[in-house]
Amino acid sequence: EADIYQTPRYLVIGTGKKITLECSQTMGHDKMYWYQQDPGMELHLIHYSYGVNSTEKGDLSSESTVSRIRTEHFPLTLESARPSHTSQYLCASTPILAGGRETQYFGPGTRLLVL
Amino acid sequence: EDQVTQSPEALRLQEGESSSLNCSYTVSGLRGLFWYRQDPGKGPEFLFTLYSAGEEKEKERLKATLTKKESFLHITAPKPEDSATYLCAVQALETGANNLFFGTGTRLTVIP
Repeated sequence: EADIYQTPRYLVIGTGKKITLECSQTMGHDKMYWYQQDPGMELHLIHYSYGVNSTEKGDLSSESTVSRIRTEHFPLTLESARPSHTSQYLCASTPILAGGRETQYFGPGTRLLVL
Repeated sequence: EDQVTQSPEALRLQEGESSSLNCSYTVSGLRGLFWYRQDPGKGPEFLFTLYSAGEEKEKERLKATLTKKESFLHITAPKPEDSATYLCAVQALETGANNLFFGTGTRLTVIP
């Protein structure tokens, strides 16, 4: 059973606002990820981290930024929200296992609507 | 090009009517294949990991199997609470965070 939390669960915000989506996990996992998911579409990786002070962009271009100051915490920030940012954002984590095998555990998601 | 294709896109079953969902994949090398269940408005919930052809995993009414080209998720005597979207993901052998590829899912509806 995975313990990974996301807040807020739902957010409606106006264009131009700065927002931070929170993600925390209590399992001590080194790797953490942010995905974007639109209805009926596959998950797209937007950011990932292999540990404290490690962050990289994923395969989907994103105007968001992330930080990893603590192992358990991986927040995502949008400096200026736009309607095109409307989507569901999913956070995931996985431990580093031998052989590179890993299972990602997901949080409940944040559904963002930018007006 | 690495990719994952799931079929059908949507499936409606009567309660008790068994069926299978398909996940076809093309990757340069397979490190692992994952099945998740996703309820509306929620994050994916991990179900199974399969690592090699011939491997099978079971959990309640669900059974996942793996060949060199595809995986099946068999649902035996489904109940309405099994209604959800089932996602398949494939982890390729190449290292890096971009080595996990998701399908678009099969939306399952089980009618009482």
